[in-house]
Amino acid sequence: DVKVTQSSRYLVKRTGEKVFLECVQDMDHENMFWYRQDPGLGLRLIYFSYDVKMKEKGDIPEGYSVSREKKERFSLILESASTNQTSMYLCASRSPGGHLETQYFGPGTRLLVL
Amino acid sequence: AQKITQTQPGMFVQEKEAVTLDCTYDTSDPSYGLFWYKQPSSGEMIFLIYQGSYDQQNATEGRYSLNFQKARKSANLVISASQLGDSAMYFCAMREVFPGNQFYFGTGTSLTVIP
Repeated sequence: DVKVTQSSRYLVKRTGEKVFLECVQDMDHENMFWYRQDPGLGLRLIYFSYDVKMKEKGDIPEGYSVSREKKERFSLILESASTNQTSMYLCASRSPGGHLETQYFGPGTRLLVL
Repeated sequence: AQKITQTQPGMFVQEKEAVTLDCTYDTSDPSYGLFWYKQPSSGEMIFLIYQGSYDQQNATEGRYSLNFQKARKSANLVISASQLGDSAMYFCAMREVFPGNQFYFGTGTSLTVIP
């Protein structure tokens, strides 16, 4: 079974702190994604990566950066956390195309910025 | 314009009845994928079903089927014989090839199954 793990389930940080959210997948997938989920807004894509050291901005990249130094690890960085970044963060990796295609999600990190 | 539209914020269904969750999409990409995910209150996203844009037949997975109407750009999820455990948020998503296989998600439908 594909496993996507995230470093924390719950995180509380203060405004202005630098925050690292780690995501690791064990299936050698090339594509990885970071979303944030807010009530009534669904999942919004922050950044995605289609290979090591490659990254693309999603729909809401402002205030975030990412790092993909190894294929299995995709990190989301909040350079200076703000209260409007309080949210649920979901990491996903994508299986190859065809009828097995899907995204596999991690359990999510609920971030509270005070 | 929204890439994925789910117009039903909340739905109720009687146990053992069938329910249809609506999803429309917008793309000019000839090759795309359509997905449905379930998110229980615990928060994990569970993949349910996939339909490719070139697939001629509607996808089915157990009690889930995807009613794919390409001309209408519609990808409704049908759950047959609803169970109490089906109560959850349901998200429709689309994957476009360009750029980089990006996924787009709808805002979700909250389904409650009534005993």
